[in-house]
Amino acid sequence: GESVGLHLPTLSVQEGDNSIINCAYSNSASDYFIWYKQESGKGPQFIIDIRSNMDKRQGQRVTVLLNKTVKHLSLQIAATQPGDSAVYFCAENRGAAGNKLTFGGGTRVLVKP
Amino acid sequence: EPEVTQTPSHQVTQMGQEVILRCVPISNHLYFYWYRQILGQKVEFLVSFYNNEISEKSEIFDDQFSVERPDGSNFTLKIRSTKLEDSAMYFCASSEIGDSGYTFGSGTRLTVV
Repeated sequence: GESVGLHLPTLSVQEGDNSIINCAYSNSASDYFIWYKQESGKGPQFIIDIRSNMDKRQGQRVTVLLNKTVKHLSLQIAATQPGDSAVYFCAENRGAAGNKLTFGGGTRVLVKP
Repeated sequence: EPEVTQTPSHQVTQMGQEVILRCVPISNHLYFYWYRQILGQKVEFLVSFYNNEISEKSEIFDDQFSVERPDGSNFTLKIRSTKLEDSAMYFCASSEIGDSGYTFGSGTRLTVV
């Protein structure tokens, strides 16, 4: 299910290491998934997306993995940099059932120099 | 890179007053959305808009809320009589094809006092 609340899970990672952020989604009918990065005071910024007919997609320094069997999505960031410090949200879209995005609760990533 | 522009960046209003939040979506986009984020919580869908009408709305989007596309470039969210619990960041988003490629604005922070 989705988490709601004031306390975000936090991932502390050393600069240069890889980061893995996980997300569990709730709707088996969802067919499109997006990872967003949100810096303080700013709107969600697109990172990478994946459709349900794929299980992996790679971008620049980022990889998204989709496991539909267990309804799990992950974002891998290679060689994490200080500029990667932000809150990361996964979002799902049920496509034909509506064009709205349902966001997960978010994970805060702190990159230590 | 094309952007979604929102004004104002911060709005303070007294409880019971009407507010209008403004957005300029990306020019070739046809689908428009409003989301909100209460401090420390996840981003929540409010409403989607296509072809000059609401295509979907959440239970948050009650009779106090309305949206309008008054001309070819602006997309507005009106709250008729603000309540304290309307205090949040409000994000506008747009999409060219509706089921992907969402771009978010930087948001308007609404503070109701």
